[in-house]
Amino acid sequence: AQSVTQPDIHITVSEGASLELRCNYSYGATPYLFWYVQSPGQGLQLLLKYFSGDTLVQGIKGFEAEFKRSQSSFNLRKPSVHWSDAAEYFCAVGALGYGNKLVFGAGTILRVKS
Amino acid sequence: DAGVTQSPTHLIKTRGQHVTLRCSPISGHKSVSWYQQVLGQGPQFIFQYYEKEERGRGNFPDRFSARQFPNYSSELNVNALLLGDSALYLCASSPTGPASYNEQFFGPGTRLTVL
Repeated sequence: AQSVTQPDIHITVSEGASLELRCNYSYGATPYLFWYVQSPGQGLQLLLKYFSGDTLVQGIKGFEAEFKRSQSSFNLRKPSVHWSDAAEYFCAVGALGYGNKLVFGAGTILRVKS
Repeated sequence: DAGVTQSPTHLIKTRGQHVTLRCSPISGHKSVSWYQQVLGQGPQFIFQYYEKEERGRGNFPDRFSARQFPNYSSELNVNALLLGDSALYLCASSPTGPASYNEQFFGPGTRLTVL
């Protein structure tokens, strides 16, 4: 069965500093990987997705993620964090043949210090 | 264009009651999925409907049911509510068929509180 681990429950970074949020997945075949962001009281917004091809994917709001098959990881990065990036971030894995089912991690809450 | 809409925004029920949550997908989207997000956890898959047929079901009891209408809107029904059903219920729509590589567009959710 698919599973996703986000090891960090909370992360605090200073505004302007770089950010890396960790995500490890478990799935036997080629995964489809996603990062979503959720602001308080809001639904989920897709930041970026990986299906195949280039393992470094670019997303919205200056985010990028790198798929590393050998490490079963799909870490999210941003070179310079803005105060508006404070939110909760979810990594998710899907797989062909499972319908639209996505399996989400528990999320990482990002706090940004000014 | 309007995004995914859900109603109501908030709902308070008591144990044993029944609740119906509603979702309207983005125009042109034929697939709707439902997720439950308990406080402090990631969303968990409940159902997926495509072209009015159930195409996927998560590990939820039979108290949870759903349907999709000819206009592709959807309802999630929960019977005999338990305190543990308190959660944010998210609806997502997708533009094409039931395959995970489709991008899912999420609505703002319905916050259900069971007392």
